Amino acid sequence: DTAVSQTPKYLVTQMGNDKSIKCEQNLGHDTMYWYKQDSKKFLKIMFSYNNKELIINETVPNRFSPKSPDKAHLNLHINSLELGDSAVYFCASSQEGLGPHTQYFGPGTRLTVL
Amino acid sequence: AQSVAQPEDQVNVAEGNPLTVKCTYSVSGNPYLFWYVQYPNRGLQFLLKYITGDNLVKGSYGFEAEFNKSQTSFHLKKPSALVSDSALYFCAVRDDDMRFGAGTRLTVKP
Repeated sequence: DTAVSQTPKYLVTQMGNDKSIKCEQNLGHDTMYWYKQDSKKFLKIMFSYNNKELIINETVPNRFSPKSPDKAHLNLHINSLELGDSAVYFCASSQEGLGPHTQYFGPGTRLTVL
Repeated sequence: AQSVAQPEDQVNVAEGNPLTVKCTYSVSGNPYLFWYVQYPNRGLQFLLKYITGDNLVKGSYGFEAEFNKSQTSFHLKKPSALVSDSALYFCAVRDDDMRFGAGTRLTVKP
């Protein structure tokens, strides 16, 4: 059983387009996250959601907007894509917010902006 | 603010030899420390974590990590490396949020 899943796995698009990446977790977790991994493999947290409330936003451009229709889903919508948005985006989930809760990661979505 | 450092970009070991992947941390309070592994074209997989208690933490795939408060380190170790251990390893610290190190690429040669 897939714990954290993301679609699509690969996404190639033109500059200026709007795209969405979907994430679903079946672990019953309360918090979900989006991370960006750049070409040098550096991981940076973008957002986290706890019970439909945004609790972390790490200086991410407002072209990026997380949308959580329910506790099991956290989608990432990106407007006006730029070349620098090319990266691998990982979704993750954990039990509620702060504390030593393990985060479980999805397989990643490789976004390429041409 | 919390942070972690992985001083080595690359670690090479021969199969069967012990391996160490280094991590040092900086936090204002009690550290919650994690190790994750990333295989090519895959997401991060949880290996182990330190919360409190015994300084030697055992995790998946035969890995363990030693928490050293005086040296603010949390090095990942394995007594006998396998070729299949070759991957990218991330140390992370959790305070307000999760901060990952830059990653260390481990290559185990036959």
